[in-house]
Amino acid sequence: QKEVEQNSGPLSVPEGAIASLNCTYSDRGSQSFFWYRQYSGKSPELIMSIYSNGDKEDGRFTAQLNKASQYVSLLIRDSQPSDSATYLCAVKLNTGRRALTFGSGTRLQVQP
Amino acid sequence: NAGVTQTPKFRILKIGQSMTLQCTQDMNHNYMYWYRQDPGMGLKLIYYSVGAGITDKGEVPNGYNVSRSTTEDFPLRLELAAPSQTSVYFCASSYAAAEQFFGPGTRLTVL
Repeated sequence: QKEVEQNSGPLSVPEGAIASLNCTYSDRGSQSFFWYRQYSGKSPELIMSIYSNGDKEDGRFTAQLNKASQYVSLLIRDSQPSDSATYLCAVKLNTGRRALTFGSGTRLQVQP
Repeated sequence: NAGVTQTPKFRILKIGQSMTLQCTQDMNHNYMYWYRQDPGMGLKLIYYSVGAGITDKGEVPNGYNVSRSTTEDFPLRLELAAPSQTSVYFCASSYAAAEQFFGPGTRLTVL
């Protein structure tokens, strides 16, 4: 089992819809979770961080964390074509390594 | 603030050549990282540093070396380049092991 898993996609949604991106992780003791957006040919850009169970909202983005089920998700409301990118989930695993572990990313396509 | 800067942006190496990828940050972050990203794949951690003089291996350290003599700089050295090292290399920095900020990347091709 991969330490951080994401469906590679592509996830295709129509403009204006809600895009739901999911991520599962293997280490129950993990405490810090992050979502990054990466446009093609560009570097990852941090969009959300979440540390506690529940929802965290920032504009059109909502991160959801469920530590008991070991998943974290990202909802994008009113999806726009400019949201088309790869979304990377990153987790600070409780392994002693002082770095984030990244999933392989989910490619999102928002159709105009 | 420039954030995290990387040089060069692009480089083509011949098999067996060596080079150093430069990374500098001006945010006074104590943690710095090197990742590689192969096409269509996620980020793989090569090396990281939690402060000047302290470095540690990540998931894929073979074929690479690092040093950290200052807070600002974290160069990555490739010795005896191989085609398997063709990738995009990203440097990142953070306060502790938290939100990481990435540089623009170096696209390396080994022929």
